[in-house]
Amino acid sequence: EPEVTQTPSHQVTQMGQEVILRCVPISNHLYFYWYRQILGQKVEFLVSFYNNEISEKSEIFDDQFSVERPDGSNFTLKIRSTKLEDSAMYFCASSEVLEVDEQYFGPGTRLTVT
Amino acid sequence: GQNIDQPTEMTATEGAIVQINCTYQTSGFNGLFWYQQHAGEAPTFLSYNVLDGLEEKGRFSSFLSRSKGYSYLLLKELQMKDSASYLCAVRDRGGADGLTFGKGTHLIIQP
Repeated sequence: EPEVTQTPSHQVTQMGQEVILRCVPISNHLYFYWYRQILGQKVEFLVSFYNNEISEKSEIFDDQFSVERPDGSNFTLKIRSTKLEDSAMYFCASSEVLEVDEQYFGPGTRLTVT
Repeated sequence: GQNIDQPTEMTATEGAIVQINCTYQTSGFNGLFWYQQHAGEAPTFLSYNVLDGLEEKGRFSSFLSRSKGYSYLLLKELQMKDSASYLCAVRDRGGADGLTFGKGTHLIIQP
């Protein structure tokens, strides 16, 4: 069964450093998402992406964040200058169509900022 | 603003039935989702409701009342592996909108 994959599974970085989290959505999916979940808290929407541009972004997704689809398979989330509070699990998700389709989540990247 | 409420924790017995409620107040509504999340893992899709009524899927059913801003997830014939968090999420508009999640209900299954 097709699945969303994410790398790395765990990333440790120092405050102020840039990190890039990578995702490979399911191949025939058109809509891509990033969510984060701080330990013990709820899943929070960051950004959605369709047709090579951002469709929607939350208040969390400020100028420190950017997304890119550099080729036909990868979808990346970049955090330019990490802060301690960016420590969280970051989930990538994708969906095939829009209105009624479920979003398939990847296994997540645990980001630890020290 | 967006507000999704669900109980923090519930306990049930193996083989029994449990109902997890969710109420929501959102600026718009374009579907309600239930996800299961085991500790340390990604959410996995369980059900989707956009019209009022009951959707059944094996041991899991989900109900929606849009006028009341209310949904529930019903789990039957509980198994130990059903111990997990159950997340209620709303998509509040059309477009490629992300989901707004509740804090989740931690379900503990006892033998």
